[in-house]
Amino acid sequence: GQQLNQSPQSMFIQEGEDVSMNCTSSSIFNTWLWYKQDPGEGPVLLIALYKAGELTSNGRLTAQFGITRKDSFLNISASIPSDVGIYFCAGQPGGTSYGKLTFGQGTILTVHP
Amino acid sequence: EPEVTQTPSHQVTQMGQEVILRCVPISNHLYFYWYRQILGQKVEFLVSFYNNEISEKSEIFDDQFSVERPDGSNFTLKIRSTKLEDSAMYFCASILRETQYFGPGTRLLVL
Repeated sequence: GQQLNQSPQSMFIQEGEDVSMNCTSSSIFNTWLWYKQDPGEGPVLLIALYKAGELTSNGRLTAQFGITRKDSFLNISASIPSDVGIYFCAGQPGGTSYGKLTFGQGTILTVHP
Repeated sequence: EPEVTQTPSHQVTQMGQEVILRCVPISNHLYFYWYRQILGQKVEFLVSFYNNEISEKSEIFDDQFSVERPDGSNFTLKIRSTKLEDSAMYFCASILRETQYFGPGTRLLVL
């Protein structure tokens, strides 16, 4: 099956620092999604990317859909304590597997005040 | 803002018992999904459902699992005879414009 490699696995940063995480795949995806998950809750959508090369922002978050359609990154600028959580990338193929998301392993973000 | 809802939030059951997890997807969404997340691991696809039938299922989704849309709003996941390794968070999701929205999950604990 398709595999996503997400890195880094965890990050410990100071409040105010910028953060960058990325996902790579051996397969092409039609859509890349970035989610944040707090403990005991469901993934919450942060950013959705629909086209290769697309660069999209949502407040302090910026994500890009790689031109090869096999990778994506997420940047968080000027981190704050409430950014703490687990960030997942997810790739969505097209065709008959419409909507079947493959998730990365997650990046655990810790922000020290 | 519309959201996916799931009940119950937590369920504890004995091994071998049947459980039914319930979901109400966002209205007007046509594609529905179940995922699971074993504690500390990534979210894994179980099954997709469209037009009252399964579109695709993973190797995890064996004969012990079934899904149903019994009416116009509910979407259920049944595990016929639970095993210890079925303990996990189970998430329902529905899709709009290729973007999936997840419910808050049901935490299932099999003893």
